[in-house]
Amino acid sequence: DADVTQTPRNRITKTGKRIMLECSQTKGHDRMYWYRQDPGLGLRLIYYSFDVKDINKGEISDGYSVSRQAQAKFSLSLESAIPNQTALYFCATNGHITDTQYFGPGTRLTVL
Amino acid sequence: KQEVTQIPAALSVPEGENLVLNCSFTDSAIYNLQWFRQDPGKGLTSLLLIQSSQREQTSGRLNASLDKSSGRSTLYIAASQPGDSATYLCAVAPMDSNYQLIWGAGTKLIIKP
Repeated sequence: DADVTQTPRNRITKTGKRIMLECSQTKGHDRMYWYRQDPGLGLRLIYYSFDVKDINKGEISDGYSVSRQAQAKFSLSLESAIPNQTALYFCATNGHITDTQYFGPGTRLTVL
Repeated sequence: KQEVTQIPAALSVPEGENLVLNCSFTDSAIYNLQWFRQDPGKGLTSLLLIQSSQREQTSGRLNASLDKSSGRSTLYIAASQPGDSATYLCAVAPMDSNYQLIWGAGTKLIIKP
């Protein structure tokens, strides 16, 4: 089984809808991250969490919120989706701030 | 503000060739630099991580170098194979960023059989 899983893998939704993307990891790591990737651009950090009680905004947090339900679970919500949130979303985790990050397979989100 | 650039955006070479992918960054104050591989539908996989005090790292047919003073890193792939076809991304960890990685846009590599 994969160490980092994301659900759903693909989602098409309409403008104004609320969407939740979920991430689970079995690596026992404290640190978890949400990124988005747009064509021709590098990954950009949306939110990150260093433990269950520590959640921080990343570079592009506007329009997004997160919830760290447990050490292993980190969810990303779009309260009212808009078309420019169409992107590939990745969850990642690592055990120490200087360690490499382990990524989930991604969620492709399309907002019509 | 740290910026990371990868040129070219795409590269196509025949199988068996040795090749070099480039990554440049604007601020040399980094903790480390990492190279990742991205396959469609499978997320990103870490290939090599070079600490700021290191000059290079090797893993199998892959060798990554780091020259902080010039703001450059290269990923050398020896004896390329069709299975090496993927997008390769580099990311730096700036010292002033609370360890938020800054990413390049990637180089899409196609190895022709």
